[in-house]
Amino acid sequence: EAGVTQFPSHSVIEKGQTVTLRCDPISGHDNLYWYRRVMGKEIKFLLHFVKESKQDESGMPNNRFLAERTGGTYSTLKVQPAELEDSGVYFCASSQGEREVFGQGTRLTVV
Amino acid sequence: GQQVMQIPQYQHVQEGEDFTTYCNSSTTLSNIQWYKQRPGGHPVFLIQLVKSGEVKKQKRLTFQFGEAKKNSSLHITATQTTDVGTYFCAEYQAGTALIFGKGTTLSVSS
Repeated sequence: EAGVTQFPSHSVIEKGQTVTLRCDPISGHDNLYWYRRVMGKEIKFLLHFVKESKQDESGMPNNRFLAERTGGTYSTLKVQPAELEDSGVYFCASSQGEREVFGQGTRLTVV
Repeated sequence: GQQVMQIPQYQHVQEGEDFTTYCNSSTTLSNIQWYKQRPGGHPVFLIQLVKSGEVKKQKRLTFQFGEAKKNSSLHITATQTTDVGTYFCAEYQAGTALIFGKGTTLSVSS
C-alpha cells in the first residue's frame, strides 16, 4: 500500500512569509496527526483529525498555524506569518488504530 | 501533562557493543511504543508493549515493559552500523495522539 506522503520535503522561506504543508494519509485511515520536531528536541504533537473533524488541537503553538482536512482526505498545515522559531521538521502520521504510520516529513527553515 | 522521560540523550558505542535506552514515567502508562528514526528520516514503528512485565524480542532488539508499567527499555545486542539513529519511546493516548520521549541518538563506530 502507498504510505503517508508529505509535500514539500523541504521549504526555505523568509520570516513573515506564508507556507502551506500538505499531507496525504494512507487511504482509509480516519486518523491524521501533525507533529513537529524542533532540532534536538522531542517530537511534539500538534493536532489530530478524525476524518474531517479536529479531535484535538491542543498542541498547536498559536493562531499563526491553521490546519484543515478537506473531505476527510488530505490535510494542509498553513503557517502565516512564519517566524524563526517555526523552523523544524513537520511530520504527518495516519492510523486506523493505535499504530501510526509517519510520512517522510517536511523540513521547514525560516530565515 | 503526561511526560515520558528518556535517557540517555546520546550514546556512542563501538560496533559489537551493546546499547540500552530507558523510558520512565511518573504515572502508569497504558502502553509504550518504540520508534526508530534514521538520520534524515522519519519515525518508523518498531513495537508496542501493553502488558505489565512484557518482554518482546526482534532479532537483536529486546523490549521490556516494567512490572508497574512506569518504565520501559530497549536493548540492542552487538550493535551494527545499521542501528544508527534516534530511538523514541512514546505512549499512545487513546483519543489524542502519541506522547514522545526526547529520544536517544545512537552512533556506532566500526
